[in-house]
Amino acid sequence: KAGVTQTPRYLIKTRGQQVTLSCSPISGHRSVSWYQQTPGQGLQFLFEYFSETQRNKGNFPGRFSGRQFSNSRSEMNVSTLELGDSALYLCASSVTLGLGSDEQYFGPGTRLTVT
Amino acid sequence: AQTVTQSQPEMSVQEAETVTLSCTYDTSESDYYLFWYKQPPSRQMILVIRQEAYKQQNATENRFSVNFQKAAKSFSLKISDSQLGDAAMYFCAYQTSGTYKYIFGTGTRLKVLA
Repeated sequence: KAGVTQTPRYLIKTRGQQVTLSCSPISGHRSVSWYQQTPGQGLQFLFEYFSETQRNKGNFPGRFSGRQFSNSRSEMNVSTLELGDSALYLCASSVTLGLGSDEQYFGPGTRLTVT
Repeated sequence: AQTVTQSQPEMSVQEAETVTLSCTYDTSESDYYLFWYKQPPSRQMILVIRQEAYKQQNATENRFSVNFQKAAKSFSLKISDSQLGDAAMYFCAYQTSGTYKYIFGTGTRLKVLA
């Protein structure tokens, strides 16, 4: 079974631009979560989607948004990029069996550099 | 709000020795889950071990075990017989049951010395 895939793997953008990152979960997984990873802050939760609905949201400004499609693929969008948005963006998927906890399977991440 | 703290930014261990990584957390919830994830250099993050808060027995996965102290809100990871392949960033994570929202610590970089 294929793992979580993220595209693109690397991205360089300029301040003020916007960017869209894509995540394809493991087949059969319905939950997709997004994280921002930086050396100083570790992993910070952005949001989580399940069946095309955002169930949870972290403490990020409205410039960060996401969506999930009917095939469970998810996209994350960042508008008006700032230098501080430079980070590794990780996507994780899980089955979500309703048992309270599911192992999250992580993708390789998209390395975003804002200049 | 829940928080997860890993106070050791970096640790070193000799091959075949044992090392313990520390993690403390803060929550007012009674039902939650704790995890240790491993992120090797330039590789994907993988789950190492999981602990349910309602279970008193410490979780064990081969050479990896945890010391879960619920009252102290402590969740340390012990790696026995350390191997070169154990070198990675280790993240402690917390999840309140039913929220599907994970809170991660800042990570501990483990170096394994040959």
